[in-house]
Amino acid sequence: GDSVTQMEGPVTLSEEAFLTINCTYTATGYPSLFWYVQYPGEGLQLLLKATKADDKGSNKGFEATYRKETTSFHLEKGSVQVSDSAVYFCALSDPKGGSYIPTFGRGTSLIVHP
Amino acid sequence: DTAVSQTPKYLVTQMGNDKSIKCEQNLGHDTMYWYKQDSKKFLKIMFSYNNKELIINETVPNRFSPKSPDKAHLNLHINSLELGDSAVYFCASSLRASGNTIYFGEGSWLTVV
Repeated sequence: GDSVTQMEGPVTLSEEAFLTINCTYTATGYPSLFWYVQYPGEGLQLLLKATKADDKGSNKGFEATYRKETTSFHLEKGSVQVSDSAVYFCALSDPKGGSYIPTFGRGTSLIVHP
Repeated sequence: DTAVSQTPKYLVTQMGNDKSIKCEQNLGHDTMYWYKQDSKKFLKIMFSYNNKELIINETVPNRFSPKSPDKAHLNLHINSLELGDSAVYFCASSLRASGNTIYFGEGSWLTVV
């Protein structure tokens, strides 16, 4: 079945550091890929997405590129801020079987210190 | 306007009680979901409805029963609550297609004592 694997956290960084959160996936179909962010006390919200190979999703300084050859969708940001502290979820949506039910990774907590 | 709203936001109740969480979306989506998030932030899908019909029902105890009176509402009823049911429950909705974004509610924090 489909699965998403993301690096375990927490990831702890100082402000203005470079961020990478790794995400790899397995899917039987041709999935769309997503990053969602969950700020403390809130629900998940879409951060960025990519629907086909080599697409780059970007938002709020974050970006991720759909790499079909390595089945990866790593999240990066050049300079993190304290306000980026949150839990980040990688997810895929696979049209296989017609259900499109998204599969989420386990989440990676990011803590940014001033 | 809140896109996906769920009530109550906080719920503390005793073991053995029955409780409900309500969810409504005003996005015109055809698919709604219930997710359970544990203390380690792991997100597990419980149910998914498309146009009021159940399309997925993961291995969830039958004490949990979803009800969809129309495609804008998906309520969650829980019978005979147990300590292990303590978690955050998220309602969500989307259009049924591969590249479509899921919109989440703010969560309902359930504590069973």
